[in-house]
Amino acid sequence: EAGVTQFPSHSVIEKGQTVTLRCDPISGHDNLYWYRRVMGKEIKFLLHFVKESKQDESGMPNNRFLAERTGGTYSTLKVQPAELEDSGVYFCASSLQREWNEQFFGPGTRLTVL
Amino acid sequence: AQSVAQPEDQVNVAEGNPLTVKCTYSVSGNPYLFWYVQYPNRGLQFLLKYITGDNLVKGSYGFEAEFNKSQTSFHLKKPSALVSDSALYFCAVRALISSGSARQLTFGSGTQLTVLP
Repeated sequence: EAGVTQFPSHSVIEKGQTVTLRCDPISGHDNLYWYRRVMGKEIKFLLHFVKESKQDESGMPNNRFLAERTGGTYSTLKVQPAELEDSGVYFCASSLQREWNEQFFGPGTRLTVL
Repeated sequence: AQSVAQPEDQVNVAEGNPLTVKCTYSVSGNPYLFWYVQYPNRGLQFLLKYITGDNLVKGSYGFEAEFNKSQTSFHLKKPSALVSDSALYFCAVRALISSGSARQLTFGSGTQLTVLP
C-alpha cells in the first residue's frame, strides 16, 4: 500500500514569491491534514479536510495560506506571498474516518524562504 | 485547550539498556494518545496509541507505553535499546469529545533519542 506522498521534498524561494505544496493521501482516506514544524519547535496543526470540504482551518496562520482539495483526492497548500517566518517543514497526513484512527504522515516538504 | 509536554529535548542511553521517553498531557476530556517516530529525512511513523482499556500499550519495534491517568502521563519505553532506535520521538494527544469537534493532533516538541553503541 502506497503511503502519503508530498511534493516537492524541498523548496527554496525568495520572500514575496509563491509556492505550492502538494499532498497525495493514502487511497481511501477521507481525512487529510496539514501540519508544519517551524524552527524545530512543536508540530502545529494547520487545517483538516474531510473529502473536499474544510472541516477545520483554525490553525491557518493568515490569509497568505490557501489550501484546496479538489475532488477529495490530493491537496495543495499555496503560500502567497511567502514571508521569512513561513520557513519550516510542512507535513501532510491522512486517516480513516474514526477519530481514534491514527494519522499517517508524509515525508514533509522543507520550505526555506530567503 | 489541549497540550503535550516532552520535558527532555535529548535522551542518551547505552545499547542494551532500557529507555524511557517522557510525555505528559493536558486535555479537557478523555484522551487519545499517540507516539510517532521520525528518522532522518523521513516522515513521522506511527508507533503506538492508547484509546481505552489496558494501560500498557504495545507497538512497533518492541516499544510500549504506559498510560497513567492520575499523572496524565504516557511515557514511551523499550526494555533493551538498539542503536537503530536513535531518532526523534513525538508524543501527541487528541481529546475524545463530541462529534463535529476538531480532530487534529496536538504534538509535543519532540525528544531526540540517541542510543550509544
